[in-house]
This record gives sequence, structure tokens and C-alpha cells, in this order.
Amino acid sequence: GAVVSQHPSRVICKSGTSVKIECRSLDFQATTMFWYRQFPKQSLMLMATSNEGSKATYEQGVEKDKFLINHASLTLSTLTVTSAHPEDSSFYICSARRLAGGSSYNEQFFGPGTRLTVL
Amino acid sequence: GQNIDQPTEMTATEGAIVQINCTYQTSGFNGLFWYQQHAGEAPTFLSYNVLDGLEEKGRFSSFLSRSKGYSYLLLKELQMKDSASYLCAVRVQGGKLIFGQGTELSVKP
Repeated sequence: GAVVSQHPSRVICKSGTSVKIECRSLDFQATTMFWYRQFPKQSLMLMATSNEGSKATYEQGVEKDKFLINHASLTLSTLTVTSAHPEDSSFYICSARRLAGGSSYNEQFFGPGTRLTVL
Repeated sequence: GQNIDQPTEMTATEGAIVQINCTYQTSGFNGLFWYQQHAGEAPTFLSYNVLDGLEEKGRFSSFLSRSKGYSYLLLKELQMKDSASYLCAVRVQGGKLIFGQGTELSVKP
């Protein structure tokens, strides 16, 4: 159990367009989902924390108007990169924290990531 | 601020033992995680420490000293497939994970 999916896995878009990435917990309910960005040869940088039914909390330096996060249900969170530019090209990874019943440690499960390339 | 340091890269020989160190200074501490990540894939969970001491799980062991802000991941009987990036992450308030920059491990025959 504890599977997290992301869609799409890979997307190429033109500069100025918007891209939506979905993160789904397939077999559990997630109170909280996290969005990370990873540039080549670098580690994961937390962008925002998304709680179901409330506004996302963004990390310092992350533009909330550019990276729109919606957590409409306990199994789905979406990240929309608005007016994407080449510098937004990156690997975007989500993780989901289980609502209840999870172990005390391995409670955050990662999606497979979405590779965004902006031309 | 949050600061997590680990070596950028390491090289080891197949069958050997390698230790990857991680030091941290964070505002709050609720456990330290080690993840393995292959290029282009999501991180996979390896180990978790919240109390001082050694946690052993097969070929992988992880150690934590909270007073020293220090952890290490020990990999024994290295295999070629162990070539990957190893990420140290500290869980802080709100369940957030703060990641180190990752250690790229190359296992040579």
C-alpha cells in the first residue's frame, strides 16, 4: 500500500503557457501533501505544504502566484506552474502524508516525479 | 536557519563498506531520514532515526547522535546497484522534510 502517483510524468511546453501537475494518493487518504522541486545534481527543495481544504503554505522565496496549489480532496493535490519560463524547467516531486494508521516514521510517501521542460 | 551537510560525492569498491556522513543544524527536530534516489526517479525510504543509536536493516545501518547533530548511513557489501544519490533529511515542525544536498555514490567493480 501507500502508493502516490503523479501525472504527467513528463511534459514539454512553450514559454508563457501554464502546466498542471497532479499528485494522487491511490490507496490512502492524505491530510497533507508536499511539493518539492529538484534541479539537476541538486537535492529536493521544499516549495510548499498543501493541506486539504485550506490554503497552501509556501516556503520563503517561492512565488505563490506563480505556483498555484490546490488540495481539493484527501487524495488529490495539484500544482499549476503559471506562465512557465525556461528557468522553471525542473523535476517536480510530491509526497503525501497518510491520514491515520501509518507508522510513526515512514509516513511520507513520494510520487515518481514530473519532468518539466519549458522551451 | 536550516542547514544540512553531506559530502557531494563518494566512490567505493564493490563488496566494500562505505559510510556517508550527515551533519545538521535545524530549528526543531522530529527525526532523521535517509533516502536513496536514482537519477530521474523519486526518493525511496531507507531508514529513520529519532533516538540516539544505531538502526540496522540488512546491508544498511543508520546512526544518530542528537547532541552532536550528526548521523551516518553505513552500506555494507556494496553492490553495483547501490550506485545512486543518498539523501539525508531532517523532519521539522509541521512534518516538513528538509533535505541535504545529497551524496552521489559511485560503486566501482
